[in-house]
Amino acid sequence: TQLLEQSPQFLSIQEGENLTVYCNSSSVFSSLQWYRQEPGEGPVLLVTVVTGGEVKKLKRLTFQFGDARKDSSLHITAAQPGDTGLYLCAGEETSGSRLTFGEGTQLTVNP
Amino acid sequence: NAGVTQTPKFRILKIGQSMTLQCTQDMNHNYMYWYRQDPGMGLKLIYYSVGAGITDKGEVPNGYNVSRSTTEDFPLRLELAAPSQTSVYFCASGRRGAQETQYFGPGTRLLVL
Repeated sequence: TQLLEQSPQFLSIQEGENLTVYCNSSSVFSSLQWYRQEPGEGPVLLVTVVTGGEVKKLKRLTFQFGDARKDSSLHITAAQPGDTGLYLCAGEETSGSRLTFGEGTQLTVNP
Repeated sequence: NAGVTQTPKFRILKIGQSMTLQCTQDMNHNYMYWYRQDPGMGLKLIYYSVGAGITDKGEVPNGYNVSRSTTEDFPLRLELAAPSQTSVYFCASGRRGAQETQYFGPGTRLLVL
């Protein structure tokens, strides 16, 4: 199984601040997904990045896939309390059938 | 459409008891997955299926069994419950391979005492 490490594990910031969450591996992934999970619910897909160096934007969220397809980052601009949740990265293993999930980053945005 | 449904929502088991966690999807997805999530952690793959009649082990299959007799249903069986199986269990489905979006159910919270 290919491993993914997320950092930081916990992040507590004030409304309006910027933040970056990192997802790193020593393995190459065919694609990488970012999910957001709220308490008591299942994860919901935010974005999928496929090409090395790819950058995708979703309103105030910017996702980047590393050139070597071993790492990814999520940057949130001007965080809002509604951004609070557990952010999970997940890499598509080379078999194409399954995802490997990182341990998650618990983000709390205080008003 | 209901998407992915899971039953029960919550269950308490005694050590050594057995139970089946139900998962049904109405999106005609070929791929289905079972994950477990321990508090504050990511998801670990237990078993997955790429189509009816086909199942394969994930990262943490010990103590669990699955079957996939239809496209819609993917039940997860715990034969001899142990405290280490206390967790939240999520079922997910996807249209094709892992690059496609996985749609998750609401989860089953299991407590083994």
